[in-house]
Amino acid sequence: EPEVTQTPSHQVTQMGQEVILRCVPISNHLYFYWYRQILGQKVEFLVSFYNNEISEKSEIFDDQFSVERPDGSNFTLKIRSTKLEDSAMYFCASSLDTSSGNTIYFGEGSWLTVV
Amino acid sequence: SQQGEEDPQALSIQEGENATMNCSYKTSINNLQWYRQNSGRGLVHLILIRSNEREKHSGRLRVTLDTSKKSSSLLITASRAADTASYFCATAPSGGYQKVTFGIGTKLQVIP
Repeated sequence: EPEVTQTPSHQVTQMGQEVILRCVPISNHLYFYWYRQILGQKVEFLVSFYNNEISEKSEIFDDQFSVERPDGSNFTLKIRSTKLEDSAMYFCASSLDTSSGNTIYFGEGSWLTVV
Repeated sequence: SQQGEEDPQALSIQEGENATMNCSYKTSINNLQWYRQNSGRGLVHLILIRSNEREKHSGRLRVTLDTSKKSSSLLITASRAADTASYFCATAPSGGYQKVTFGIGTKLQVIP
């Protein structure tokens, strides 16, 4: 079965540093997402992306965050200046469309630890 | 209560028994999806049920949806130790919005 792949699987970074998390969505999918899960908490929506622009974003997704689809296959999440509270598992996801039968497929996640 | 709340929050059963997890939500939905997460791992999609469906089966999984009560249940029959994981419901709101809201999850332990 096609899958969403994410790199790195784990990254440790110092507070204030920039981080880029990378994702390769399923190839024929049109909608791309980032979610995060702080340890022991709910999975939270960050942003959705369609047709080369952000279509929805949450309050968490502030100016420190940005997303990009630099080429036909990659989808990236950048955190400009990381804070301790950015430590979380970040999940990339993709879906074909937003119909009622739309399944959202998630990657294995990237653990980000900010020290 | 919050959108997509599962209960119980933790469930421990013996191998071979059935496990039932419930999910409640607040707003109108397009569909509801159930995911499994092994500790520290990714979210594995299990099953999707559309808002106009009432029941769906996939292998040992049975999902029901009651839109009048804004609730869903996931039944895993003949559980196995490998089913030990956290299970989440995720609701997609009606209106074409893309944001999917997850519940807090049910932690299932299946004892061999």
